[in-house]
Amino acid sequence: EAGVAQSPRYKIIEKRQSVAFWCNPISGHATLYWYQQILGQGPKLLIQFQNNGVVDDSQLPKDRFSAERLKGVDSTLKIQPAKLEDSAVYLCASRHTGEQYFGPGTRLTVT
Amino acid sequence: LAKTTQPISMDSYEGQEVNITCSHNNIATNDYITWYQQFPSQGPRFIIQGYKTKVTNEVASLFIPADRKSSTLSLPRVSLSDTAVYYCLVGERGSGNTGKLIFGQGTTLQVKP
Repeated sequence: EAGVAQSPRYKIIEKRQSVAFWCNPISGHATLYWYQQILGQGPKLLIQFQNNGVVDDSQLPKDRFSAERLKGVDSTLKIQPAKLEDSAVYLCASRHTGEQYFGPGTRLTVT
Repeated sequence: LAKTTQPISMDSYEGQEVNITCSHNNIATNDYITWYQQFPSQGPRFIIQGYKTKVTNEVASLFIPADRKSSTLSLPRVSLSDTAVYYCLVGERGSGNTGKLIFGQGTTLQVKP
């Protein structure tokens, strides 16, 4: 079974630029999550989708972050404009009914 | 979702058994206890989940006392490759819930030769 795919794996941008991350969940997983993991901390949930609907986006900084999951499969997370404090690993996870399966993450560096 | 408390770091040597204890004093009746493992440059990986008493799989054992206010992840005969961050989480399980996870800081386990 293929795992959760994410791209790119690494991204370096300057502050005030925009960036987008892509996630392809495990086939058949209706629930998809985006997390932000700052160095030395545990992952923090940004947004949760059930199929193509948002279940929880209470911790998503909506003034600069946006996410979509068209057709209930792939998802993209966008940051516009980026700030220095957005430097982190962005993890995507998917779930059917049991545990969450995580992708390898995208490491974002904002300079 | 109940808050968890676990040691920031632990050291061990190859071949030893490692026990990581997690406190979750406010665990709810419907909550399960779940442990994830995270290696550098990888996403977290599910290790084990339990509700009460003892659960064992090919990787680890999970011990949960009767009051369920704490739990202990036991890793038998660790190797260098077990060096990772281990997260203890509590929350509901099953298709009828969101599966939301709240990660703490985790326990960084360093296994030495």
